[in-house]
Amino acid sequence: EVQVVESGGGLVQPGGSLKLSCAASGFTVSGAGMSWVRQASGKGLEWLGPIGGNANTVHAESVKGRFTISRDDSKNTAFLQMNSLEIEDTAVYYCTAWFEDLRMEVWGKGTTVIVSS
Amino acid sequence: QSTLTQPASVSGSPGQSITISCTGTGSDIGAYESVSWYQQHPGKAPKLIIFHVSGRPSGVSSRFSGSKSGSTASLTISGLQAADEADYYCNSYAGSDTRVFGGGTKVTVL
Repeated sequence: EVQVVESGGGLVQPGGSLKLSCAASGFTVSGAGMSWVRQASGKGLEWLGPIGGNANTVHAESVKGRFTISRDDSKNTAFLQMNSLEIEDTAVYYCTAWFEDLRMEVWGKGTTVIVSS
Repeated sequence: QSTLTQPASVSGSPGQSITISCTGTGSDIGAYESVSWYQQHPGKAPKLIIFHVSGRPSGVSSRFSGSKSGSTASLTISGLQAADEADYYCNSYAGSDTRVFGGGTKVTVL
């Protein structure tokens, strides 16, 4: 079964760091278009950025310089390193995988990040 | 990156058709044939229902259809059902490997 599972969320103080993981099964992260999306409680979806097949990344302006997307092909996992966290970063963070040839996209259930003192 | 503009809410009676608009600019929707639509039920992860403006993933009902004219994309739900009550988000490619979401539309089945 093709799926992604996010982990690593939790409670962190403002200014702190957290690294989210997105473990893939049923496919290789290097063969899909992986992305991160977040959603604050009661708010809309916010695109954070992708990591492509050649490991190139782009980051949304709102998180550029603070968040870094990466992946480890040996672990078949994508990551979202979040530094200098702000209260406004409190949200559910989703990992997605797009398969162009299959015209299919999978989402994880999300992991919750709470930034609070 | 600016957010695409969607109506906050749209409602319809069972069996009716409704259309949700998604307005962007010449730098996103107007420039690329890469608009997606997502359905999200409360407490659940979003689900892709339309890709590449009008494509439908396997398993998605044909009652969902997408289109685009200029810088505005649209999602039409025909034969509205109670199960269609959810939040809907549009998403467009915006160049330089970036994408942008709309603010979301709450669909209510009367």
